[in-house]
Amino acid sequence: NAGVTQTPKFRVLKTGQSMTLLCAQDMNHEYMYWYRQDPGMGLRLIHYSVGEGTTAKGEVPDGYNVSRLKKQNFLLGLESAAPSQTSVYFCASTARTSGGSDEQFFGPGTRLTVL
Amino acid sequence: AQKVTQAQTEISVVEKEDVTLDCVYETRDTTYYLFWYKQPPSGELVFLIRRNSFDEQNEISGRYSWNFQKSTSSFNFTITASQVVDSAVYFCALIFLPGNAGNMLTFGGGTRLMVKP
Repeated sequence: NAGVTQTPKFRVLKTGQSMTLLCAQDMNHEYMYWYRQDPGMGLRLIHYSVGEGTTAKGEVPDGYNVSRLKKQNFLLGLESAAPSQTSVYFCASTARTSGGSDEQFFGPGTRLTVL
Repeated sequence: AQKVTQAQTEISVVEKEDVTLDCVYETRDTTYYLFWYKQPPSGELVFLIRRNSFDEQNEISGRYSWNFQKSTSSFNFTITASQVVDSAVYFCALIFLPGNAGNMLTFGGGTRLMVKP
């Protein structure tokens, strides 16, 4: 049981390049999330998904796209990277519960630098 | 709008001291969940506790304790007899219900705790 995994762990891009971050979870969770972490700002939600084939915008969605073609995978794409997207990216997942909320399980993070 | 404030950006203590990390939140909803996560230097996020808005009972787990007070919208975290291994960034977070279709978390800015030997 690997939990939530992220690929890659580190990446350096040049301005204008594109890339995709992969998140996978093996806990059969319905909900998945992408966050970015910047110094002093905590984690901010980029996009999320409440099930296979569905996605929605979070707090800071501009410059990112996502896809959830399979329940266990949630992809985050940067079409044209900018230095402002230098950050640590975390994926998370949680089970859908009725009338409550379980904790979110986080991946190990991806450190992205855009030059 | 939902908001979580951790006013202490950095705290430094000497080992064995007690330390309290403050968390103040804003929400109009009566039903919500509060969380604390720990982020050690290795970078992963570790879940510590979940508390729902209808349960104001304080909780103790070993050296950790949490004080939830709805009257002041606070959910403070105390570490007793701190240890060097407690050095980390600690995040307070909030999920409000209902109307939050994706159970989205709102995080505070985090408090960096440094415990010196």
